[in-house]
Amino acid sequence: KAGVTQTPRYLIKTRGQQVTLSCSPISGHRSVSWYQQTPGQGLQFLFEYFSETQRNKGNFPGRFSGRQFSNSRSEMNVSTLELGDSALYLCASSLASGVLYNEQFFGPGTRLTVL
Amino acid sequence: AQTVTQSQPEMSVQEAETVTLSCTYDTSESDYYLFWYKQPPSRQMILVIRQEAYKQQNATENRFSVNFQKAAKSFSLKISDSQLGDAAMYFCAYRSQAPTSGTYKYIFGTGTRLKVLA
Repeated sequence: KAGVTQTPRYLIKTRGQQVTLSCSPISGHRSVSWYQQTPGQGLQFLFEYFSETQRNKGNFPGRFSGRQFSNSRSEMNVSTLELGDSALYLCASSLASGVLYNEQFFGPGTRLTVL
Repeated sequence: AQTVTQSQPEMSVQEAETVTLSCTYDTSESDYYLFWYKQPPSRQMILVIRQEAYKQQNATENRFSVNFQKAAKSFSLKISDSQLGDAAMYFCAYRSQAPTSGTYKYIFGTGTRLKVLA
């Protein structure tokens, strides 16, 4: 079974631009979560999608948005990029969402550099 | 709000020796999960071990074990017989649970970089 895939793996943008990152979960997984990883902050939760609905959201500005498609693939969009948005963006998928424990499986990440 | 603290930015261990990584957390919840994740230089994060808060017995996975002290809100990871392949960034994580809404989110520490010396 293929793992979580993220595209692109590397991205360089300039301030003010917008960017879209993509995540394909493991086949059969319906929950996708997004994280921002920076050296000083560790991993910070952005949001989680399940069945095309945002189920949970972290403390990020509205410039960060996402969506999920009917095939469970998810996209994350960042508008009006700032230098501080430079980070590794990780996607994680799990079978379902809710009170029961479902292991998260992480993708390799997309390294975003904002110049 | 829940927090997770890893006070050791970097640790070193000699191959075949034992090392313990520290993690403390703060929460007012009584039911939750705790995890240790490993992120090798290739960047793919993988789950090392998990602990359910309601279980008193410490979790063990081969050479990896935890010391879970619920009252002290401490959750350390012990790696025995360290191997070169254990070199990675290790993250401690807390999974909250909100029974009324049925949703949860993960809170991660800032990580501990483990170096294994040959």
